[in-house]
Amino acid sequence: EVQLVESGGGLVQPGGSLRLSCVASRFTFSYYWMSWVRQAPGKGLEWVANIKQDGSEKYYVDSVTGRFTISRDNAKNSLYLQMNSLRAEDTAVYYCARVDSMISYFDNWGQGTLVTVSS
Amino acid sequence: SYVLTQPPSVSVAPGMTARITCGGNSIGSKGVHWYQQKPGQAPVLVIYYNKDRPSGIPERISGSNSGNTATLTISRVEAGDEADYYCQVWDNSRDHQWVFGGGTKLTVL
Repeated sequence: EVQLVESGGGLVQPGGSLRLSCVASRFTFSYYWMSWVRQAPGKGLEWVANIKQDGSEKYYVDSVTGRFTISRDNAKNSLYLQMNSLRAEDTAVYYCARVDSMISYFDNWGQGTLVTVSS
Repeated sequence: SYVLTQPPSVSVAPGMTARITCGGNSIGSKGVHWYQQKPGQAPVLVIYYNKDRPSGIPERISGSNSGNTATLTISRVEAGDEADYYCQVWDNSRDHQWVFGGGTKLTVL
């Protein structure tokens, strides 16, 4: 069974930075696109960013472009999200998700890590 | 950007059929995927590419997609089906965006 475990969430002040991590196991990490999806408290799901298997392609939702950076380390089976210039509206649970082979949907999800941006 | 529209809520009695719609411009030409999310839990994929079910998802859950509306159908609804349901598409027409609908809260009466 695929396992995705996120970490790195916490409380940060507006304008601050945070780096999220996701460790993958029980599948060949380097074969798959990976993604971050977030969910603000009481709100719906919002796709944040995707990265190709070798890191050569990255895509972001407009609201985080220029502030967030997705990256991966295939040797460590790890996915990352560097979040800079954080805003109150970035407060959310951030999920790590595996993307299917046709890069269309998210077939496995982690349990999420909560990021709270507040002074 | 591509927009997916879902009703905020749907209510159904146990044993009846629930239908949750997802509207989008010519959505019938896209692959639509559905997720179930129960309170405090991560989303779970229940339908991919309009009508296919991952292993472990009961046959009571089905999907269809045509024209401007995709539909998730849950037959013989049980109390355990109460959850939020989200539709999602991959919009590759503009710099690759993965789009979710706003979600529908399914209440079992």
